[in-house]
Amino acid sequence: KAGVTQTPRYLIKTRGQQVTLSCSPISGHRSVSWYQQTPGQGLQFLFEYFSETQRNKGNFPGRFSGRQFSNSRSEMNVSTLELGDSALYLCASSPDYSYEQYFGPGTRLTVT
Amino acid sequence: AQTVTQSQPEMSVQEAETVTLSCTYDTSESDYYLFWYKQPPSRQMILVIRQEAYKQQNATENRFSVNFQKAAKSFSLKISDSQLGDAAMYFCAYRMNTGNQFYFGTGTSLTVIP
Repeated sequence: KAGVTQTPRYLIKTRGQQVTLSCSPISGHRSVSWYQQTPGQGLQFLFEYFSETQRNKGNFPGRFSGRQFSNSRSEMNVSTLELGDSALYLCASSPDYSYEQYFGPGTRLTVT
Repeated sequence: AQTVTQSQPEMSVQEAETVTLSCTYDTSESDYYLFWYKQPPSRQMILVIRQEAYKQQNATENRFSVNFQKAAKSFSLKISDSQLGDAAMYFCAYRMNTGNQFYFGTGTSLTVIP
């Protein structure tokens, strides 16, 4: 089975712009979670989607949003980018009735 | 709130030696899951080992084993016969029994010295 894929792998944006990141889970996985990874904070949970519904949400401002499509692919959007949004954004998928997560390679976002 | 603490930002070990990475967590739950993930430089995060809180026996995966102390809320990772390929950032993670939200520590950067 193909692993979790994320596109693009690298992105450079300017403050104030918005960005959309994409994640394709492992085939058959309906749960997709997003994390922000920064050197000082480690991995912080953004949100989780399951069958097109947001099931859990972390403590991030409303500028961070996501959605999931019927094929389980997920996108996350960050509006009005700030310098502090520079991070590695990781996506992870989980099979049903499992407590494990499988991570993608991440999207490195740099905000200038 | 659940928190995961890794008190060792950096560790180093001689090749073929043994190293232990520390992790403590805070929770009021009795049923949960604990994980160690490895993130090599510029590479994907992969699962190293997992432990179910209801199991008293410590998990083992080849050269990797854990010391799970439920009462102390401690979950350390032991790497035996360290290899150069073990060099990576290691993250300890916690997941409640319900829901799929993971809580991660800030990581320990492991260097393996040839």
